[in-house]
Amino acid sequence: EAQVTQNPRYLITVTGKKLTVTCSQNMNHEYMSWYRQDPGLGLRQIYYSMNVEVTDKGDVPEGYKVSRKEKRNFPLILESPSPNQTSLYFCASSLSAEYYGYTFGSGTRLTVV
Amino acid sequence: AQKITQTQPGMFVQEKEAVTLDCTYDTSDQSYGLFWYKQPSSGEMIFLIYQGSYDEQNATEGRYSLNFQKARKSANLVISASQLGDSAMYFCAMRAVYNFNKFYFGSGTKLNVKP
Repeated sequence: EAQVTQNPRYLITVTGKKLTVTCSQNMNHEYMSWYRQDPGLGLRQIYYSMNVEVTDKGDVPEGYKVSRKEKRNFPLILESPSPNQTSLYFCASSLSAEYYGYTFGSGTRLTVV
Repeated sequence: AQKITQTQPGMFVQEKEAVTLDCTYDTSDQSYGLFWYKQPSSGEMIFLIYQGSYDEQNATEGRYSLNFQKARKSANLVISASQLGDSAMYFCAMRAVYNFNKFYFGSGTKLNVKP
């Protein structure tokens, strides 16, 4: 089944403890992106990647890192999480930067205490 | 600038009736795609329907249809024969081919289907 897989679905962590949210797609998509969703603010882009080893900042990159060493994987790294990073996170992919359709992962609900 | 406006924060519809969720957009791009996503309470984003800016016919996917009026820059979602499982948040979104790294979302409409 063609899909974007995020793990974990739910995570509660403490301030300052490094964490990684994994994202993997099995559709050979070139373009991948991370979003966070917050009440009243909608979905905001964190980082995106046009292909392997090509990443760039979105609208809210502060406090996050990403890497794209393989085409299928695009992990989101929080080096020192803070409570304001409590949010619902989505990974998404599309065939290419020019192709419209986005496939979203199931989301990761992160709570930082 | 590109912007998506969904003016209905919440709506109710009776089961088995049709409902229209409004979406207007603002873009200076000529080539773009419009999307609708459903987000149930479990949180995942489910793709419903897509309309390309050059598509002359309105898109349809089962009970979902997109009423695309390009001159008015509107892309309303029509759900026919509402079901209880349609209760969810619905987001309108747009992506332009020349501004591809931007996927703009509206603020969403919370639909409640009443039995």
